[in-house]
Amino acid sequence: GNSVTQMEGPVTLSEEAFLTINCTYTATGYPSLFWYVQYPGEGLQLLLKATKADDKGSNKGFEATYRKETTSFHLEKGSVQVSDSAVYFCALRSRAGGTSYGKLTFGQGTILTVHP
Amino acid sequence: DAGVTQSPTHLIKTRGQQVTLRCSPKSGHDTVSWYQQALGQGPQFIFQYYEEEERQRGNFPDRFSGHQFPNYSSELNVNALLLGDSALYLCASSFQSSSYNEQFFGPGTRLTVL
Repeated sequence: GNSVTQMEGPVTLSEEAFLTINCTYTATGYPSLFWYVQYPGEGLQLLLKATKADDKGSNKGFEATYRKETTSFHLEKGSVQVSDSAVYFCALRSRAGGTSYGKLTFGQGTILTVHP
Repeated sequence: DAGVTQSPTHLIKTRGQQVTLRCSPKSGHDTVSWYQQALGQGPQFIFQYYEEEERQRGNFPDRFSGHQFPNYSSELNVNALLLGDSALYLCASSFQSSSYNEQFFGPGTRLTVL
């Protein structure tokens, strides 16, 4: 079945540091890949996405590249801010077969804390 | 334009009781998915409703059931509550016919089972 594995957290950084959160996946077919962010007390917000191999998703300074050869979708940001403190989830949606259409499979989440 | 709304925000129940959670999708959306997010975990897919029918189901027991109404809103029902059902329940809506089918999430309902 489909699965997503994220690097274990929590991750604690100083403001303006470089961020990498690793994500690898197992899926049938050619999944779409996503990063979601969850701020305290809120639901999930889509941060960025990539729908095919070698696509780069980007938003708000965050980037992730769909690497089919390594089944990875690592999240990066060159200079984090205190306001980036949140929980980050990697997710996939398989396109292999109509019955799995729409279902998102999530990783366990990585807590990011950024200090001034 | 209102996004996905869920009610109630918080709920406390005791073991063995039944609970109903409600979701109104984003305007223009016709598909509703439900997820359970246990503390410190990623969301787990419960089921998805489209055209008032359950289209896809995750690995959850029959105690979890749902409904979608003609206006596309949805309910999640959980019977015979267990302590392990304590979680944040997230509703997500999407538009079936869009090429991308992005899911938009509501703020969730926090269920505590005592």
